[in-house]
Amino acid sequence: DAGITQSPRYKITETGRQVTLMCHQTWSHSYMFWYRQDLGHGLRLIYYSAAADITDKGEVPDGYVVSRSKTENFPLTLESATRSQTSVYFCASTDRERKHTGELFFGEGSRLTVL
Amino acid sequence: GDSVTQMEGPVTLSEEAFLTINCTYTATGYPSLFWYVQYPGEGLQLLLKATKADDKGSNKGFEATYRKETTSFHLEKGSVQVSDSAVYFCALSFGGTSYGKLTFGQGTILTVHP
Repeated sequence: DAGITQSPRYKITETGRQVTLMCHQTWSHSYMFWYRQDLGHGLRLIYYSAAADITDKGEVPDGYVVSRSKTENFPLTLESATRSQTSVYFCASTDRERKHTGELFFGEGSRLTVL
Repeated sequence: GDSVTQMEGPVTLSEEAFLTINCTYTATGYPSLFWYVQYPGEGLQLLLKATKADDKGSNKGFEATYRKETTSFHLEKGSVQVSDSAVYFCALSFGGTSYGKLTFGQGTILTVHP
């Protein structure tokens, strides 16, 4: 089915381990985003990408790495996970037309627990 | 920087009650404003939007009016249903100059009882 999918949906890891969250969209949207959702903070932008090989930092990028070698994929890597990175992570995408009005399409989220 | 402030939750209502969730924003310029809804176990979905002052966004019985003078975008519904139970997020965006990045409020949990 067309859409935006995230994997894994649930992940438990330990402090210091590397974790990669995957995001795949089938719309060929140019713009992709990673947000984290924490109680009391709403959603905060981690990284975003305007096209393949173009990425930029958002509000809370420390401890995260992204890449975008293909338009449809936007993986998020925690190089050395910390407990403060326990959160729900949402990937989102949009196209050139909708980005002018800020309408984003969100995946179902990946719940990460760092022990 | 830009910011969005929503009323504290959670909000608990009985079915058919009137709903208001307050949202105010701080921004330089004139952003587009949004309400997103997150149903349990799902990602966020756009509920409604307004792109300029005095615009009214509406969808599924929900409404919100872009008030530039009070920098507000309050969400209202005349008669809520149990199926409206969700988390509601107010957000703003400057669209073209910001790659479509959204700035979100902290979210308001709504629970509707039969």
